Amino acid sequence: AQKITQTQPGMFVQEKEAVTLDCTYDTSDPSYGLFWYKQPSSGEMIFLIYQGSYDQQNATEGRYSLNFQKARKSANLVISASQLGDSAMYFCAMRLNSGGYQKVTFGTGTKLQVIP
Amino acid sequence: DTAVSQTPKYLVTQMGNDKSIKCEQNLGHDTMYWYKQDSKKFLKIMFSYNNKELIINETVPNRFSPKSPDKAHLNLHINSLELGDSAVYFCASSPRQVNTEAFFGQGTRLTVV
Repeated sequence: AQKITQTQPGMFVQEKEAVTLDCTYDTSDPSYGLFWYKQPSSGEMIFLIYQGSYDQQNATEGRYSLNFQKARKSANLVISASQLGDSAMYFCAMRLNSGGYQKVTFGTGTKLQVIP
Repeated sequence: DTAVSQTPKYLVTQMGNDKSIKCEQNLGHDTMYWYKQDSKKFLKIMFSYNNKELIINETVPNRFSPKSPDKAHLNLHINSLELGDSAVYFCASSPRQVNTEAFFGQGTRLTVV
């Protein structure tokens, strides 16, 4: 069964420091995509970063980077130089192309609070 | 232009009523989804449609009936609303390729009183 696990319900980080949000996944499919979304208090889902299962290099998008360790089945999000506006819920998600259709499954989320 | 739009954004209704939430995407995507986000922020997939065809129905009560008149629309109709249906419902869409993200609507906050 496909599964996404985020073990940190809440995290605190000092402003300007880096923080790592954990995500592990489980699938037997060789082809999958891993995503991180941010959900601020306003409620919208904001796409942050993507990592493909066949990608050799870790994805980076500005202050966001994804630490992809395929053998460990982990896809941790690293936010560098945290800002107050980074305070939000963060969701890890996995997308599979199974039997010709798509399915996107989300983890339970991590609430990040940036402290001034 | 809004890529995935849901209406209404807020919906307050009494138990037992029937209500609908509409979703439209102008991205030309093949696949559309409905997700339910509960009070603990857990996002659970409810339905997935691919080219108007129901692909995934994740053990959702049959009071929930999705309808996809065409590839760009996926509406959610809920009969006999219950208190436990109160949640935020997100519509999303994605193209066929696995290496692209799903695009979300702004969510519909449903409150059943």
